[in-house]
Amino acid sequence: QQQVRQSPQSLTVWEGETAILNCSYEDSTFNYFPWYQQFPGEGPALLISIRSVSDKKEDGRFTIFFNKREKKLSLHITDSQPGDSATYFCAASPNTNKVVFGTGTRLQVLP
Amino acid sequence: GPKVLQIPSHQIIDMGQMVTLNCDPVSNHLYFYWYKQILGQQMEFLVNFYNGKVMEKSKLFKDQFSVERPDGSYFTLKIQPTALEDSAVYFCASSYGLGGSSAETLYFGSGTRLTVL
Repeated sequence: QQQVRQSPQSLTVWEGETAILNCSYEDSTFNYFPWYQQFPGEGPALLISIRSVSDKKEDGRFTIFFNKREKKLSLHITDSQPGDSATYFCAASPNTNKVVFGTGTRLQVLP
Repeated sequence: GPKVLQIPSHQIIDMGQMVTLNCDPVSNHLYFYWYKQILGQQMEFLVNFYNGKVMEKSKLFKDQFSVERPDGSYFTLKIQPTALEDSAVYFCASSYGLGGSSAETLYFGSGTRLTVL
């Protein structure tokens, strides 16, 4: 059973555009949602995170929008840069040590 | 930033052999994790470890798998015997506190690519 789903599986945008990555979950006990960025040959690194008490979290060009009722969230990357090309994982946790990762979205930003 | 080191970066072994993957976590971290990734896709949780004990494990953490961190040295994942489906990239991570809380970040190593022939 897939607890955290992401769409699209892959996404291509032009430099300067806004990339929107979607995530949904099933477990209502999840209350912490980190997004991880992974470049080829490297491990994932925390990009930005949000707790379920908030509906929006912004950090520079990266913004998370969270809808608790619908169990959905999205990551918006504004003014996308070629250096943003990576795989992005939405993750979720019920505030325990088990962090569940989504299926990932591979983003390509074309110059 | 904090670094998690994984040794080796690549490992090729024959099916049925034993393999040990080594992880040198961030020095003051207390919680340790192993994840499995196939073909650059989903990161699958295997196990977490604290104070010398497994705290939680997934269905992917088969009986052939074991973890330990003897005397504060490497945090290891041992697979004995290996199977073809164990081929994947294994990522180690560590955190100071509860990795699922907004106060604590999981720091990942660069992974060990395991190929079972």
